[in-house]
Amino acid sequence: KAGVTQTPRYLIKTRGQQVTLSCSPISGHRSVSWYQQTPGQGLQFLFEYFSETQRNKGNFPGRFSGRQFSNSRSEMNVSTLELGDSALYLCASSPVQVANTGELFFGEGSRLTVL
Amino acid sequence: QKEVEQNSGPLSVPEGAIASLNCTYSDRGSQSFFWYRQYSGKSPELIMSIYSNGDKEDGRFTAQLNKASQYVSLLIRDSQPSDSATYLCAVMIRNDMRFGAGTRLTVKP
Repeated sequence: KAGVTQTPRYLIKTRGQQVTLSCSPISGHRSVSWYQQTPGQGLQFLFEYFSETQRNKGNFPGRFSGRQFSNSRSEMNVSTLELGDSALYLCASSPVQVANTGELFFGEGSRLTVL
Repeated sequence: QKEVEQNSGPLSVPEGAIASLNCTYSDRGSQSFFWYRQYSGKSPELIMSIYSNGDKEDGRFTAQLNKASQYVSLLIRDSQPSDSATYLCAVMIRNDMRFGAGTRLTVKP
């Protein structure tokens, strides 16, 4: 059974640009959550999507957005990139809404560097 | 106050010793608690979950929960070098999984 797949794995952008990251969950999983991981702040929750609907959102500015498609694949977008957006972005899938299980299966992450 | 707090460490123990990892949380209404392990350069993986006060054992791992004190801990008995990793405490807060910053554990042979 394939795991959670994130693309691209590494990318470099400059301030002001925008970026789109992609996540394919484990087959059959309907929930996709996104996290930002930095050395100083640790893992911070961005949002969760379930059945194409955003279920929860963390405390991030509106520049961070996402969506989920009917096949459960998800994308997140960051517009007007800032230096502080440099981080590892982790996607995690779950068979049901996270609130009902708590078990997250993480992808390898997309490492974003903003210059 | 952070929602989930852990001692950042690093924590170093000799092989065969007991490693003790601690975590406190701010939301008194939280009911679900988890420990994830993250090896360097890898993604987190779930190792333990606990929902009731007391101890829960799984092999060499024991999770302890005290809701009155808003405290969760993870004990690793007979620590092995392969246990060297960052351990993340996670708490379900308002239907979101919130993580602590993690404690880096090194087990020395």
